[in-house]
Parts: sequence; structure tokens; C-alpha cells
Amino acid sequence: QEKLAESGGGVVQPGTSLRLSCDASGFRFSSYAMHWARQAPGKGLQWVAVLRFDGSNQNYADSVKGRFSISRDNSKNKLYLQMRNLRPEDTAVYYCARERGGSYALDVWGQGTTVTVSS
Amino acid sequence: SHDLTQPPSVSVSPGQTATITCSGDALSRQYAYWYQQKSGQAPVLIIYENTERPSGISDRLSASTSGTTVTLTISEAQPEDEADYYCQTADATGASVFGGGTKVTIL
Repeated sequence: QEKLAESGGGVVQPGTSLRLSCDASGFRFSSYAMHWARQAPGKGLQWVAVLRFDGSNQNYADSVKGRFSISRDNSKNKLYLQMRNLRPEDTAVYYCARERGGSYALDVWGQGTTVTVSS
Repeated sequence: SHDLTQPPSVSVSPGQTATITCSGDALSRQYAYWYQQKSGQAPVLIIYENTERPSGISDRLSASTSGTTVTLTISEAQPEDEADYYCQTADATGASVFGGGTKVTIL
């Protein structure tokens, strides 16, 4: 069974850092591009970042560029999102998602981890 | 522009047909994808490559495309179709954008 499980969320103060993790199981993690997306309370989905299967290329939403960094460890089947200089507007449920092979569709999603940025 | 525009809400009676549009310039050259998100749950992919349905997705869900607009159709609407629906597109780097989402209410 293909699964993704996020962890690392919590309540943090503005200006601080947090690292989210995403554990993948049930599929060959190293063969897939991976994404992070987020959803602020009561709001819609917002795409955050993508990383190619081999870590060769990454891209970010303008709202997080320069503050967030996506990375992966294929030997551990893990995806990460390092978040720095957090702002209240970064408060959201953060999802990791797998990019379907040969497509940019996101076909496997985790259940999400909640990040709250508040003083 | 990479923005995608969806209507905020759509209402439909059980057994009737609902349509949700998603508009954006990028859709004339990039594929669209659709997701269903029920309350408190993670999104689920329901349409990829504009019109294709993943295995296990109800054939009452279908999609079409014309120019810069893609349309998701829910036929014979059922109570379990009540959810938020999002369109998405991506460029060649995988950088993506989601539409604002449409809340479908089954009356």
C-alpha cells in the first residue's frame, strides 16, 4: 500500500525555523518527484515546492522562495521541508504528495501535519 | 498568467448534473488535474491529463477541455460527492498552481 506520512509540525513563533518530514512506504520512493502543498485554515490548497526524483531540480512558490528548502534522502525514503523565518501566514496544514510517473498529477497524498506560527 | 479561476460554490440536487469550470491561460498549453477533498481529509486525485480518470474513481466524474477552460462534470450527483474540488496545472519544471477551489453542495 502506497503511503505518505508527514511529521514535524507544531506551534512556533514568528521568525523561527521548523523542519517537516515525510515518510514514504509501499513504493519506490527514489523513482518519483515529490511535492509539498499547504492549506491555511478554511482556505484552499496552495502549492509550495517540488523536487525531482534524484534531487537534481527544485522549484518553489514565490511566497516561500528563499525561506523554504525542499530536500530528500532516497536511502531513507524521506522527504523534507526546511522552513526558515516563519511568518503567521505560513500557518497551515502541510501535505507531501507524490507526482504520478509521466505526469504532473499528485496521485498519493499524506494526511498532513499542522504548522501554527503565532506569538 | 498562471492563475486558475474556479467558482467558489456549486449546488446540485441528488441525481442531477453539476459542472465546475477552471479557467486560466496556462490551460491552453498545460494539462489540468482535478482533486476532490472531503471535510477533514487529504485531497484525492480524480482526473489527470485533462480527461483521464485514475483507477477506482467513479465514472460519474468526467472532465473536458476547451481552450483555456477545463470543466469537471459530476453526473447523477450523490450525497458522497459533497466536497471541495480543486483544479491544478503545472509547468515543465513541475511548478504548480491550484485553483481557488469549488465547494459542491448536494441539496
